[in-house]
Amino acid sequence: EVQLLESGGGLGQPGGSLRLSCAASGFTFSDYAMTWARQAPGKGLEWVSTMSGSGVNTDYADSVKGRFTIYRDNSKKTLYLQMNSLRAEDTAVYYCAKLGSNWINSYFDYWGQGSLVTVSS
Amino acid sequence: EIVLTQSPGTLSLSPGERATLSCRASQSVGFNYLAWYQQRPGQAPRLLIYGASSRATDIPDRFSGSGSGTDFTLTISRLEPEDFAVYYCQQYGNSMLTFGGGTKVEIK
Repeated sequence: EVQLLESGGGLGQPGGSLRLSCAASGFTFSDYAMTWARQAPGKGLEWVSTMSGSGVNTDYADSVKGRFTIYRDNSKKTLYLQMNSLRAEDTAVYYCAKLGSNWINSYFDYWGQGSLVTVSS
Repeated sequence: EIVLTQSPGTLSLSPGERATLSCRASQSVGFNYLAWYQQRPGQAPRLLIYGASSRATDIPDRFSGSGSGTDFTLTISRLEPEDFAVYYCQQYGNSMLTFGGGTKVEIK
């Protein structure tokens, strides 16, 4: 059974940093691309960033490019999102998801339960 | 960036009725790489359809997807109580992945 467990959310200061983690199990982690998506309170879904299984290929939404960094540790089966220069508009539930292939352009076939990030002073 | 427009915003139907949800893209979706997700209140999204028409694992056959190019449709043949939720389309044929704004299917 595929399981994705996010952690690291909480309250962040404007201009500050937070790091999210996503622990994966139930599949061969290094064989699949992984992604982060977010959902602001009461709003729709927004894709944030994707990384290929090897970690070589990445992509970012324009809204986070230059501020957020996605990376992974395949030995620990864990995906990360380093969030710097936080803004109020980054407040959202952040979801980790597994892609259906190793290619960064694929559908999201399994999702974690999400981690709430609140940016406020 | 491909903009996805979902309609209607809200669909009010009764259990047993047929639901037809639309997703229109601002430009052609490469390889018809279009997915549909269901999100129930307080839950994470769940993949229903990928590649415009392929059902994901364990998805009931009352859910079906169709369309190509810029126009796509999700059909729920007979609504069950657990189907009342928000549905999102997503395109992954372009490097900047995008979601539609969602359609809420509510009980009439």
